[in-house]
Amino acid sequence: DSGVTQTPKHLITATGQRVTLRCSPRSGDLSVYWYQQSLDQGLQFLIQYYNGEERAKGNILERFSAQQFPDLHSELNLSSLELGDSALYFCASSVLQGQNTEAFFGQGTRLTVV
Amino acid sequence: AQSVTQLDSQVPVFEEAPVELRCNYSSSVSVYLFWYVQYPNQGLQLLLKYLSGSTLVKGINGFEAEFNKSQTSFHLRKPSVHISDTAEYFCAVWGGGSNYKLTFGKGTLLTVNP
Repeated sequence: DSGVTQTPKHLITATGQRVTLRCSPRSGDLSVYWYQQSLDQGLQFLIQYYNGEERAKGNILERFSAQQFPDLHSELNLSSLELGDSALYFCASSVLQGQNTEAFFGQGTRLTVV
Repeated sequence: AQSVTQLDSQVPVFEEAPVELRCNYSSSVSVYLFWYVQYPNQGLQLLLKYLSGSTLVKGINGFEAEFNKSQTSFHLRKPSVHISDTAEYFCAVWGGGSNYKLTFGKGTLLTVNP
């Protein structure tokens, strides 16, 4: 158990809908990262927050947004969903930002858009 | 910019045989290198990491990797694999400076056959 909790584990929704994925980092970790894993794109970095502030942005679509709350949990919001958004979404956390650290991954949320 | 290339998408081996999973990286700055393992329907688990110091790094489950700066490689090895090592293995690089994201390779599926 990595200590990173993601909910829900599975989500099935229709095209055009909006969903929210939740991540609770390990106790004491200030950084939260979101990744998308799909068969064709592999593991893609979406976005990172550190202590409530956005610190790095990757290949995140404009239809997607995220935030980190004062209690350090994070939510990834996906809207106007398309079939191609079906993927495994991982959250990771680390105690420090940037280099010289290690990221712990949650079990992921498997999103299926039908 | 940084990138990671895992040279083999699939590696089938027999139980108790040695295995090497290859990883090459490119980066314009000093890097920190990681190998993660993903078992079916699970999140990513850190196998080992290279931050500095000895270029031979030992990890969990009998795996080790050697950092070779001149060849920009970080190959993962195990002298004798078990059926339970069947999983997907990801090489990742974490750049320095303001680059906070982990960049992953496409993964190598290791299948250990009896």
